[in-house]
Amino acid sequence: DAGVIQSPRHEVTEMGQEVTLRCKPISGHNSLFWYRQTMMRGLELLIYFNNNVPIDDSGMPEDRFSAKMPNASFSTLKIQPSEPRDSAVYFCASSLELGYNEQFFGPGTRLTVL
Amino acid sequence: DAKTTQPPSMDCAEGRAANLPCNHSTISGNEYVYWYRQIHSQGPQYIIHGLKNNETNEMASLIITEDRKSSTLILPHATLRDTAVYYCIVRVLGNNAGNMLTFGGGTRLMVKP
Repeated sequence: DAGVIQSPRHEVTEMGQEVTLRCKPISGHNSLFWYRQTMMRGLELLIYFNNNVPIDDSGMPEDRFSAKMPNASFSTLKIQPSEPRDSAVYFCASSLELGYNEQFFGPGTRLTVL
Repeated sequence: DAKTTQPPSMDCAEGRAANLPCNHSTISGNEYVYWYRQIHSQGPQYIIHGLKNNETNEMASLIITEDRKSSTLILPHATLRDTAVYYCIVRVLGNNAGNMLTFGGGTRLMVKP
C-alpha cells in the first residue's frame, strides 16, 4: 500500500484565496483525521471522520475551515478565505477503526498564506 | 487523557541504546501508553503501545513500571535516522472524542555520530 497520500505537498497562496487540501487514506481504513501543526501550538486535531461521517469537528478553528469526505477514499480540507495565520503543516491520518488502532499519517501539506 | 511529562531534548551516541522516559503519574487503569515519533518534515509515525506489560517490536521496546506511573521507550541501537521528536501519549481505547490522540511537546532526540 502507498500509505496515506496528501496533495499538494506545498501550497503558497495569498490572503483571501480559497485553499483546498486533499487526502487519500489507506484502503480499508474506516477513520480519517485532519491535524494542523505549527511551532506555537504543536500538533492539533482539527476534525475526524468515521465511515465517511464527520464525528467531531470541535478542533476546527473557525467557520472558514470546512472538511468533507464524499467517499471512503477521499477527503478535503478547505479554507475560505485563507489568512496568514493559517500557515502551517496540515496532516491527514487514517486508521483501521476509530479509537482502537494506530493512526498512519501522510507526509503533510505545507501551507503558506502571504 | 492523563497528561504526560517528557524531557524536551536528549542526545544519544550512534549505536548506543536510546532510553526515552515518560512520566504519566495520573494514568488510570484503562489508559494505554502510546509512542509516536516525527522525523523532520514527515508525519508522525506509530512506534509501539502497551497497557501494563513490557512490549517489544521491530522498532523499539516499551518498559512500563509496575505502578504504571512512568514508562521508557528503548531504541536498542540508535542510528542517525532515529533523530526525531518522540511523543508519549496516554489514552483510553474507544471511539469517544476524548479517546483520540493528543500530542504534547515530545522529546527531541538527537543521535550523534
